[in-house]
Amino acid sequence: GAVVSQHPSWVICKSGTSVKIECRSLDFQATTMFWYRQFPKQSLMLMATSNEGSKATYEQGVEKDKFLINHASLTLSTLTVTSAHPEDSSFYICSAREGVHGYTFGSGTRLTVV
Amino acid sequence: DAKTTQPNSMESNEEEPVHLPCNHSTISGTDYIHWYRQLPSQGPEYVIHGLTSNVNNRMASLAIAEDRKSSTLILHRATLRDAAVYYCILRDVSSGNTPLVFGKGTRLSVIA
Repeated sequence: GAVVSQHPSWVICKSGTSVKIECRSLDFQATTMFWYRQFPKQSLMLMATSNEGSKATYEQGVEKDKFLINHASLTLSTLTVTSAHPEDSSFYICSAREGVHGYTFGSGTRLTVV
Repeated sequence: DAKTTQPNSMESNEEEPVHLPCNHSTISGTDYIHWYRQLPSQGPEYVIHGLTSNVNNRMASLAIAEDRKSSTLILHRATLRDAAVYYCILRDVSSGNTPLVFGKGTRLSVIA
């Protein structure tokens, strides 16, 4: 089946630095990818929709200048958390749709900002 | 997409069947019923989906009420590895390349 690879699986960074998370579709092309954030004991919250070759669409309340999304190819989308702060510590998950009904998710990236 | 209602948590004994309910009283004719589950510290994974008829696969069965206003995910023999949060999600097949919208799901605990 379709596979989405997300890297890194975990990262610890200092407050004020930037962190890049990669999401790759390994065996299919994804013109659109989705980025979610999940806080402990909560559900997944959609942050943004990443579109290949064009600007990402952000959900209300998500700062586009803080969470930079780049989707430069049909198999790679990246999320960069800029000037990270402890409140950005969370579990970030990407997803892509393959076929009419199939949504595949990455394994997630646990970000800890210290 | 229409909203779903699930119990916050459920508990099951190992090797017993588990029936996870989902209510979706405002479902439309083009809404498919999807089930995903999320194991601890992992991304969600697909379980099953259906439109009107009951569905079976190697992971689970999906029983859909005749009026489609509710559905039940059935795990035939729960194992410890089935402990996860199970999400019932409606998605309009005509909505194009849109994301899945997650509710709170049901946290399933499996007791040895």
